[in-house]
Amino acid sequence: AQSVAQPEDQVNVAEGNPLTVKCTYSVSGNPYLFWYVQYPNRGLQFLLKYITGDNLVKGSYGFEAEFNKSQTSFHLKKPSALVSDSALYFCAVRFGPNYGGSQGNLIFGKGTKLSVKP
Amino acid sequence: DSGVTQTPKHLITATGQRVTLRCSPRSGDLSVYWYQQSLDQGLQFLIQYYNGEERAKGNILERFSAQQFPDLHSELNLSSLELGDSALYFCASSVVGVVTDTQYFGPGTRLTVL
Repeated sequence: AQSVAQPEDQVNVAEGNPLTVKCTYSVSGNPYLFWYVQYPNRGLQFLLKYITGDNLVKGSYGFEAEFNKSQTSFHLKKPSALVSDSALYFCAVRFGPNYGGSQGNLIFGKGTKLSVKP
Repeated sequence: DSGVTQTPKHLITATGQRVTLRCSPRSGDLSVYWYQQSLDQGLQFLIQYYNGEERAKGNILERFSAQQFPDLHSELNLSSLELGDSALYFCASSVVGVVTDTQYFGPGTRLTVL
């Protein structure tokens, strides 16, 4: 079955320290990987995606993620965390080109709550 | 602001009732998706439309239906509502709906069924 796992429910980081939010996936075929962030009472905001090419992807607000095919991981990172980064982070995967008629949808992980303390 | 709009923002209704949620995609986007976010199920894909045609179906209940109109806005109809239908319903849109597209999400409609 196609799935995405975010092994940590919560990550706590001090402001200014590097942060990592973990994501692993299990899909058949080529994975297309996405990170979204959700602030309280807001919709999901797109951060970055991996489609093909360079394994290190840079996105919005200083975030980046590294695609590792051998470890089936796509961890989100930021060199220096800000208090304003505190939010709920979702990893998601789509798979292609055609799979069971569900090619359109994103499969989401359960989310990781990031808390950055001053 | 993603450019995707959803109305209403909040909806409170009773069991057994029917409601309609509305979504306007970003300008130029042809594909619309509906997702449900609940505490127990997380974020789940419901259905996708592309240029007025249903393209993919997920875990959508038979009591739920959707459509995309010629002006590309979409409506999600929820009927015979149950307490368990209380959730955040998100609409997303993308340019053409292929797997490499980025989906941009609206702010959501919070449905409370009493």
